This record gives sequence, structure tokens and C-alpha cells, in this order.
Amino acid sequence: AQTVTQSQPEMSVQEAETVTLSCTYDTSESDYYLFWYKQPPSRQMILVIRQEAYKQQNATENRFSVNFQKAAKSFSLKISDSQLGDAAMYFCAYRSADNNNDMRFGAGTRLTVKP
Amino acid sequence: DAMVIQNPRYQVTQFGKPVTLSCSQTLNHNVMYWYQQKSSQAPKLLFHYYDKDFNNEADTPDNFQSRRPNTSFCFLDIRSPGLGDAAMYLCATSRDRAPETQYFGPGTRLLVL
Repeated sequence: AQTVTQSQPEMSVQEAETVTLSCTYDTSESDYYLFWYKQPPSRQMILVIRQEAYKQQNATENRFSVNFQKAAKSFSLKISDSQLGDAAMYFCAYRSADNNNDMRFGAGTRLTVKP
Repeated sequence: DAMVIQNPRYQVTQFGKPVTLSCSQTLNHNVMYWYQQKSSQAPKLLFHYYDKDFNNEADTPDNFQSRRPNTSFCFLDIRSPGLGDAAMYLCATSRDRAPETQYFGPGTRLLVL
């Protein structure tokens, strides 16, 4: 079974600076999808960014980008120019490309942004 | 705006008293999911519906049931809540099966007294 590991339970960053959240996963599959979700306090979980495993190019969404290292099974999230609104729980998730609908989440990283 | 709606946002029930949580969506998505999320933990998938087909996770307790009367609505029934069932329950939808992105509702926080 696939597992997702987020080794940083908590991270903090100064406003306007850059922070990187780590995620590693374990799978024997070659085709899959990786996601970063953001869950602000008392608010719903929203998709931050998504990466298809067959794509070599790292996904980017405005201030958010990933470093996808398929061989190393690593999928880190970089947040540039951090803003106070980025403070949230961040979950890394893995989903198989077949019809198995089980999306595996990591334990999450709580990000604090200091003004 | 098209979205995933969960009611109520907070639910208090008594030990052993059946409770139903509801989820609705205006996205017209085929797949609806229920997750359980305990404090400071990752969401754990309980089950999902692909259209009318129900798919239960192997480790989901029998105490948890679900109904999907139509495309828009999905319910989570907890037949006899225990103290260990206190958690946030998240509903999510996706247009189709993998690899479609899942869209989450705000969740219902369940408290069991």
C-alpha cells in the first residue's frame, strides 16, 4: 500500500520569505498523481497544486511550486513571498492513476507565518 | 458559486444516539467521498460513491453507513456513535474517478457526549 510521509509536523516562516515543506511517498506504481492541499483553521480544504507523475516539469501555481523528484519519491512544496493568509495545515496526498479511488494523505505540516 | 456544502457545521450527539450528517454539491460530480479527520491527523477515507455504486473501505467500521439518494446529496449515518467517533467529517467530490481532483466541503465537527 502507498504511504505518504510529511516529516515536518510544524514549520514557520517570516512574512515575505520562502519556505519549503517536505513530502515523501512510497509506491510501486509508475503512474500516479500528487497533490498539496491547504486547510486553514476552521476552513475547508482546498487544492494548492497538483503534479502528474508522467510529467517531468514541476508544477507551478503563482507563488506555489513543487520540486518533484520521481526517482527519490519526493514531492516538496515551495511557497515564495509568504503571506499571512498562507498560515494553514498543509497536506501532501497521493492518488493512483487507476480506478482505485483511495487518496492517501500525509499527516500534515502546520505552517505559521510570522509578521 | 458551485460548491460542496455540509450541514450542519457542528453536531452534538449523545453516546449511542444515531446521527446523520449531510453533504450536497452543485458541481454535478459523479463521485462523492466521506472522510473522517481526527484532531491533528490526516483525513481517512471511509467510503465513496461512484454514481450509485457504493464502495466501502475495508477498515471502515460497520457503525458507519452512507446513502446517496441522488447525484447532489450524500448522507453519512452513524448508527451508534461512540466517544471515539468524535471528529471532523469531510465530504468531497470529484468529477470522475482518478485522477480527478477532489473538492472538499467545510466539514461537520461531531461531538459525542
